[in-house]
Amino acid sequence: NAGVMQNPRHLVRRRGQEARLRCSPMKGHSHVYWYRQLPEEGLKFMVYLQKENIIDESGMPKERFSAEFPKEGPSILRIQQVVRGDSAAYFCASSPLASSTDTQYFGPGTRLTVL
Amino acid sequence: RKEVEQDPGPFNVPEGATVAFNCTYSNSASQSFFWYRQDCRKEPKLLMSVYSSGNEDGRFTAQLNRASQYISLLIRDSKLSDSATYLCVVPQGYNKLIFGAGTRLAVHP
Repeated sequence: NAGVMQNPRHLVRRRGQEARLRCSPMKGHSHVYWYRQLPEEGLKFMVYLQKENIIDESGMPKERFSAEFPKEGPSILRIQQVVRGDSAAYFCASSPLASSTDTQYFGPGTRLTVL
Repeated sequence: RKEVEQDPGPFNVPEGATVAFNCTYSNSASQSFFWYRQDCRKEPKLLMSVYSSGNEDGRFTAQLNRASQYISLLIRDSKLSDSATYLCVVPQGYNKLIFGAGTRLAVHP
C-alpha cells in the first residue's frame, strides 16, 4: 500500500516563475492537507481539501497561492510568480476521515528553492 | 502566546539517558494531542497519540495535564537512532494540525 506521494521532490524556480506541486494521497484517503515548513521553523497549515472542494484555506497566503483536488488525479498546490520567501519544504498529508483524532500521514515533501 | 510552545533545543544526551520534552498549548478545548518525529529533511512521522491522561509505548511515555495545558514526552534508555526533532502537535477543529516549532534531540555515544 503506497503511502502519500509527492512530486517533484525538489523544484528550483527563478523569481517570477510558477511552481506546481503535486500530491497523491494514500489509497482510500479522500482528505488532503498542505503544510509549509520554512527553514528552521515548524510546519504551518495551509489548506485542507476534499475531492473537488476546498474546505479550509485559512493558512493560504491571500495572493499567488492556490490549491485544488480534482475528481481525478492528484491534488495540486500552485504558486504563481514565486519569490525568494517561498523557498520552503511543502508537505502534503492525507487521512481517511476528517477528525481531530484521525492520523494524518505525510508525504516526503517537495523542497522548493527560488533563485 | 503561541498556540503550541515547546522546550527550546537542542538536547544533547548520552546513549542510555532519560530525556523529557515539554509542550504547552493555548486552546483549552483541545481533546487530542500527538507527538511526531521528524528526521533531518524528512517528513514528520507519528510517534504517539495522546487522548486521555497519557500513553506509553515501549521506551516512550507521553503524559497530559489538561488543567495546566501541558504535554510531555519521556524517552528512556536513549538510542543513537532517537536523534531527531520531536514535534508537539495539537489538532484545531476537525482537520488542522498546529505544530510546535520542535525540540531537537542529539544522542551521542
